[in-house]
Amino acid sequence: SQTIHQWPATLVQPVGSPLSLECTVEGTSNPNLYWYRQAAGRGLQLLFYSVGIGQISSEVPQNLSASRPQDRQFILSSKKLLLSDSGFYLCAWRASVVSNSPLHFGNGTRLTVT
Amino acid sequence: SQQGEEDPQALSIQEGENATMNCSYKTSINNLQWYRQNSGRGLVHLILIRSNEREKHSGRLRVTLDTSKKSSSLLITASRAADTASYFCATDAGNTGKLIFGQGTTLQVKP
Repeated sequence: SQTIHQWPATLVQPVGSPLSLECTVEGTSNPNLYWYRQAAGRGLQLLFYSVGIGQISSEVPQNLSASRPQDRQFILSSKKLLLSDSGFYLCAWRASVVSNSPLHFGNGTRLTVT
Repeated sequence: SQQGEEDPQALSIQEGENATMNCSYKTSINNLQWYRQNSGRGLVHLILIRSNEREKHSGRLRVTLDTSKKSSSLLITASRAADTASYFCATDAGNTGKLIFGQGTTLQVKP
C-alpha cells in the first residue's frame, strides 16, 4: 500500500533562518506531488506541484522554492524565512496515470516563524 | 487563486440531524472532490464526482453536482459527533494536475 511521510511535525524557526521540509511517498511510482499551505482557520493554498522529476510548477510568487530530486521525494525550502511564512504545510500525492484520482495527504508540518 | 467557495463557513447541528454544505466554483472542471480535515491533521478524501455525473452516494454521504450552475453540495445524513471536522471541496481541471481548494466549512455536531 502507498504511504506518505512528512517531517517534521512541528517547527519553530527565527526570521531569516533557512527552511527545509521533506516529503516522501512509498509504494507508488511517478506520482504527482503537491505542497499546500494552510493559514489558521483557512483553506488550502497551492504552493507548488510536480508531475515528474525536476518539473516544478509554482503557483504563487513567494519566499519559498520546491525541488524534486527523486521520483518520490519533494522538498520545500526557503533561504530566509519571513514572519508571513508561518502556517500549516501539507504535502500530498496523487496517481499520475489514473484519471480522476484523489489526493493523499501527509500529516502536515506546523511552522512558526518567530 | 481559490476557485471553490464553500457555504456556510460554519455549521452547528445536533447529532442525528443532516448537514448540508455547498461549494461554488468558477471555471470548467473534470471532477470535483470533497475532503475532510480533523483539527491539526492532513486532509482525507471523501468522495469524487465526475463532471458528467449529477449525484453520487457513499455511505451517509451524498454529493450533487450542477455544472450549469458551477456548484456542488455535500449532504451528511444522520450526523454523529465524530463527523465534527472541516470539509473542503476541491476542483480538478483535469489537464494541469492541479487541485484547487475552497475555504472550507467547519462542522460541529453536538452530542
